[in-house]
Amino acid sequence: GAVVSQHPSWVICKSGTSVKIECRSLDFQATTMFWYRQFPKQSLMLMATSNEGSKATYEQGVEKDKFLINHASLTLSTLTVTSAHPEDSSFYICSARGWREPETQYFGPGTRLLVL
Amino acid sequence: QKEVEQNSGPLSVPEGAIASLNCTYSDRGSQSFFWYRQYSGKSPELIMFIYSNGDKEDGRFTAQLNKASQYVSLLIRDSQPSDSATYLCAVNTGFQKLVFGTGTRLLVSP
Repeated sequence: GAVVSQHPSWVICKSGTSVKIECRSLDFQATTMFWYRQFPKQSLMLMATSNEGSKATYEQGVEKDKFLINHASLTLSTLTVTSAHPEDSSFYICSARGWREPETQYFGPGTRLLVL
Repeated sequence: QKEVEQNSGPLSVPEGAIASLNCTYSDRGSQSFFWYRQYSGKSPELIMFIYSNGDKEDGRFTAQLNKASQYVSLLIRDSQPSDSATYLCAVNTGFQKLVFGTGTRLLVSP
C-alpha cells in the first residue's frame, strides 16, 4: 500500500511556457500532499503543503504565483510551474500522507524538469 | 543550529559489515522519526519510522532513539552493495511537516 505516482516523469520545455505536474495517491486518500524540489547533490527543499479543498501553504521564499498548487481531490494534487525559466530546472517530488498514517509521508517517483 | 543534522559522509563499509548512521535533532518535543533511502536520481523511499516510545527492528534495519541526547540512529546489518545510497533522517515537527536532514551517503564495497 501507500503508492504515490507522478506524471510526467520527465519534461523538457522552452523558457516562458507553463508546465503542469500531477501527483496521485493510488491506494489511499491523501489528506495532505507536499511538494518538494531538489537540485543536484542538494537536500530536499519543501515548497508547499496542501490540504484537500483548501489553499496551499507555501514555504518562505517560494513564489505562490509562479508555483500554482491545486489539491482538488483526496487523490490528486497538481503543481503548475508558470512561465518556466532555466533556473526552474530541477527535480520536483511530491509526497502524500493519509489518515491511516497521519505522520508518514510517501513519496512519488519525482518529475525531472528541464527548461531550455 | 539546524533542526536535523547528519554527517554528509560518505560512510564506507565493507560488504557484510554493520553500517551505523546517525542524526541529531534540536526539538526536544519531537515524537516521531523517519529514515528514508534515496538512490541517486530517484525519490526518497521510506525505510522505517519510530515513535518516541521505543526502538524498532525490521529485517536488517534497526532504528534507535536516544531521547536524552536527541539523536536517532539507523543500523544496517549485513550491508550489501545495493544498500549504497543516501539516507535521509526526518523528524516530525508537530506542524504537519517533516524536517529533513541533508542526508548521509553510504558506500558499501564488495
